[in-house]
Amino acid sequence: NAGVTQTPKFRVLKTGQSMTLLCAQDMNHEYMYWYRQDPGMGLRLIHYSVGEGTTAKGEVPDGYNVSRLKKQNFLLGLESAAPSQTSVYFCASSYWGPESEGEQFFGPGTRLTVL
Amino acid sequence: GENVEQHPSTLSVQEGDSAVIKCTYSDSASNYFPWYKQELGKGPQLIIDIRSNVGEKKDQRIAVTLNKTAKHFSLHITETQPEDSAVYFCAAGRILNSGYSTLTFGKGTMLLVSP
Repeated sequence: NAGVTQTPKFRVLKTGQSMTLLCAQDMNHEYMYWYRQDPGMGLRLIHYSVGEGTTAKGEVPDGYNVSRLKKQNFLLGLESAAPSQTSVYFCASSYWGPESEGEQFFGPGTRLTVL
Repeated sequence: GENVEQHPSTLSVQEGDSAVIKCTYSDSASNYFPWYKQELGKGPQLIIDIRSNVGEKKDQRIAVTLNKTAKHFSLHITETQPEDSAVYFCAAGRILNSGYSTLTFGKGTMLLVSP
C-alpha cells in the first residue's frame, strides 16, 4: 500500500494563477482532509470530506475549493493564487471501524510558493 | 470552536532525560486527543492518542495523561533518544457517532535531543 500520496511535491505559482493539488489514498478510507501548515501556526483544516461526493468547510476555507468525485481522491483547487497561500499543504485520510478510532494518516505534503 | 494551546514551543533536553509537552483545550465536548510526530520534510504521524474516558495511556517510552476537569493533556517521553528529535503536535477533536473526527491542532513543539 502506498498510503496517502500527494501530487505535486513542489510548485511555484505567480499571483493570480490557478492550480489543483491531488491527494490519493489506497486504504479505502471514507474521510479525507486538507490542511495547511505555516511556521508557528500548526496545522489548520481547510476543507474535509466524509464520503464520495461530499465536502465541508474547515477553519480556513477562503480562496480554496475542493472536490471528491472518487472515494480515493480529494482535490484541492486554488482559482486565483495569492502570496498568503504560500504554505505546505497536507492531505490526510481516516476511517471509522472496530479497529480504528479515527487516526488520520497524512501524506508527505506539497510545498507551494506564490510569488 | 475549539482552541488548543501548546507549550513549550521549543524544548531542548539531553539524551536520557525526560521531556514533557503540555496542551490545553477549550471545548468540553472534545473527547479525542491524539499526539503526532513530524520529522523534517515528512507528514505528521500518530504516536499515541487518548479518549476522554481514560486518564492515562502508555506505550513503551511514551505516555499521555488527560485531566478533563482542567481541560489539559500532556505528552511524556522518557529516556529520550536523538531520534526523538522532531516537531510534536497535540490535537483535540470529537469522535462522533458517525465516526469521523475533525481535529484542532496545537502550534507544535520542536523537541531537540542532544547526544
